[in-house]
Amino acid sequence: EVQLVESGGGLVQPGGSLRLSCVASGFTFNSYWMSWVRQAPGKGLEWVANINQDGSKKFYVDSVKGRFTISRDNAKNLVYLQMNSLRADDTAMYYCAREAALAGEDYWGQGALVTVSS
Amino acid sequence: DIVMTQSPLSLPVTPGESASISCRSSQSLLHTNGYHYLDWYLQKPGQSPQLLIYVGSNRASGVPDRFSGSGSGTDFTLKISRVEAEDVGVYYCMQALQAPFTFGPGTKVDIK
Repeated sequence: EVQLVESGGGLVQPGGSLRLSCVASGFTFNSYWMSWVRQAPGKGLEWVANINQDGSKKFYVDSVKGRFTISRDNAKNLVYLQMNSLRADDTAMYYCAREAALAGEDYWGQGALVTVSS
Repeated sequence: DIVMTQSPLSLPVTPGESASISCRSSQSLLHTNGYHYLDWYLQKPGQSPQLLIYVGSNRASGVPDRFSGSGSGTDFTLKISRVEAEDVGVYYCMQALQAPFTFGPGTKVDIK
C-alpha cells in the first residue's frame, strides 16, 4: 500500500525556518517525481515545488523561489521542504504528493500544518 | 505561468442528476506526445485531495465510471453522471504541462 506521511509542521515566527519531511512507503521511491502542494486556511490548492527522481531537477512556484528548497534522500525514502524566511502568507497545510508520469499526483499525504505568526 | 479558470465556482446538485464543471487554461495543454496535461482532483470535506482524472480523460484507479473527463486544447470538462451524496466537495483542475503547475480556483459541489 502506497503511503506518504508528512511531519515537521508547527508554529514559527515570521522570518523563521522550518523543514518538512515526507516519508514514502509501498512503492519504488526513486522511480517517481515528488511534489509539495499547499492550501492556506479556507483557500484553494497551490502547487509549491517538485523534484525529479535523482534530485537533479527542481521547480518552484515564484512566491517561494529563493526561500524554499526541495530535496530528497532516496536511501531513506524521504522528500524534504526546507522553508526559510517564512511569512504569514506561507501559513497553510502542506501536502506531499507522488507525481506519476502521465498519471497525475496520484497519492497524497495527510498534510502538515505550518502556521507563521508572532 | 499558465492560468486556470473554472466555472461554476459553486454547484448545488440533486442526487441522481448529472453535473458538469468547466476548466479553461490560458494556453493549450497539448504536449508534443499527444496527451493533454490536465488532471482533475476532488477534495472531500476534511480530507486530502484525491486524483480523479489524469491527462484529460483517464479515470484514476478506483474512481467510479460516473466520472468522466473530456476536452482538448484549452477547454476541458468534468462530468458527473448520477451524482451521489458522497461526491460533495471541491473539485480542482490542474495543469501539469509546465512548471509551475497551476490549479483552478475550485468548484464547490454540494447537495441541494
